[in-house]
Amino acid sequence: NAGVTQTPKFQVLKTGQSMTLQCAQDMNHNSMYWYRQDPGMGLRLIYYSASEGTTDKGEVPNGYNVSRLNKREFSLRLESAAPSQTSVYFCASSEQQGNSEAFFGQGTRLTVV
Amino acid sequence: GENVEQHPSTLSVQEGDSAVIKCTYSDSASNYFPWYKQELGKRPQLIIDIRSNVGEKKDQRIAVTLNKTAKHFSLHITETQPEDSAVYFCAASIAPPGGGADGLTFGKGTHLIIQP
Repeated sequence: NAGVTQTPKFQVLKTGQSMTLQCAQDMNHNSMYWYRQDPGMGLRLIYYSASEGTTDKGEVPNGYNVSRLNKREFSLRLESAAPSQTSVYFCASSEQQGNSEAFFGQGTRLTVV
Repeated sequence: GENVEQHPSTLSVQEGDSAVIKCTYSDSASNYFPWYKQELGKRPQLIIDIRSNVGEKKDQRIAVTLNKTAKHFSLHITETQPEDSAVYFCAASIAPPGGGADGLTFGKGTHLIIQP
């Protein structure tokens, strides 16, 4: 059981470039999430997917898009990266939305120059 | 939406002493309150959680208390050890029985430092 796996671990982008962060879970969880973590700001929800086929905006969705490809996979896309998107990104999953343990991936450290 | 405030931002205690971290939340409909521990460079991991139908939960040296009337909850760590040094996050969410909740709303975190 790998849990939640996200790729890549590190990425440097130039302003205006695009990229997709990949996330997969093998726990048969219904709900998946993307958070960003910035110093002193805690973890802020970007987008979430309550179940396969649905996605919704979180607290800070601007500049991002997501795709729930199937029950296992939930990807995050930056269409035109900006320096303000420099952050550590965490994917997470939980069995039920909102009231069960969220399991996190190992994180992606993204730097936009 | 939900807003979670967490205090203090940094807490330094002597090894063996107790540590208390406090959080308040804004939405009275919130009913699930987990605490996560994040070691440097690692992912957040759940250490304890509490639901709104109980006021206190304990797991060895860790306990969480919830006061729904005042809308605050606290993490208590007793007999602190060096491995307790980490950043701790509280969170809150609304979890209606039929689903439909958002993800967790996190506090900004507390850096707990255990002094030898």
